[in-house]
Amino acid sequence: AQSVTQLGSHVSVSEGALVLLRCNYSSSVPPYLFWYVQYPNQGLQLLLKYTSAATLVKGINGFEAEFKKSETSFHLTKPSAHMSDAAEYFCAVSGRTGNQFYFGTGTSLTVIP
Amino acid sequence: DGGITQSPKYLFRKEGQNVTLSCEQNLNHDAMYWYRQDPGQGLRLIYYSQIVNDFQKGDIAEGYSVSREKKESFPLTVTSAQKNPTAFYLCASTSTGGSQPQHFGDGTRLSIL
Repeated sequence: AQSVTQLGSHVSVSEGALVLLRCNYSSSVPPYLFWYVQYPNQGLQLLLKYTSAATLVKGINGFEAEFKKSETSFHLTKPSAHMSDAAEYFCAVSGRTGNQFYFGTGTSLTVIP
Repeated sequence: DGGITQSPKYLFRKEGQNVTLSCEQNLNHDAMYWYRQDPGQGLRLIYYSQIVNDFQKGDIAEGYSVSREKKESFPLTVTSAQKNPTAFYLCASTSTGGSQPQHFGDGTRLSIL
């Protein structure tokens, strides 16, 4: 069975500060991992994905994530937060067979001016 | 541009009424999904379909029904048996294979009158 856990349902950072959103996965086989962003009353937009090519994955809007197998983690980071980064962020995992995705419960990011 | 179109954006249901949410994609994706989103609960899978004329129940299928008569379309009916239908509903699609991300529509917000 696969699952993801997002630590911290709410994270607040100052504008210009480092953003760190945590995601740990549970999977019996090497997974595919994704980060999505959701703005109010909109669908989810893909930020980046890990598919076993490189452990450090760069995404859109300056975000990146590092796959650490030893820690079963896939944390999302951005060096300098911008006001426009305020949104809900979801980590997701899928398996290598089938098409089922499993989403974390989300982390709401607030950026303080 | 290719994408997923959900309609309507807002929908109101009266007691005892069935309502249908539309989801259309022009991405040529085989798999389509319906999720329900409630505050603080992330995304919960209602139904998914990996091929035309076939679909499977997700974690919270009770009170919902779907059809998949065309590859492009995956409508969701919220029946009167669903006693707490107020939520944000998201439709997604993906091509075959777990390495491909899900693409999302902009959602439908359903409320009870």
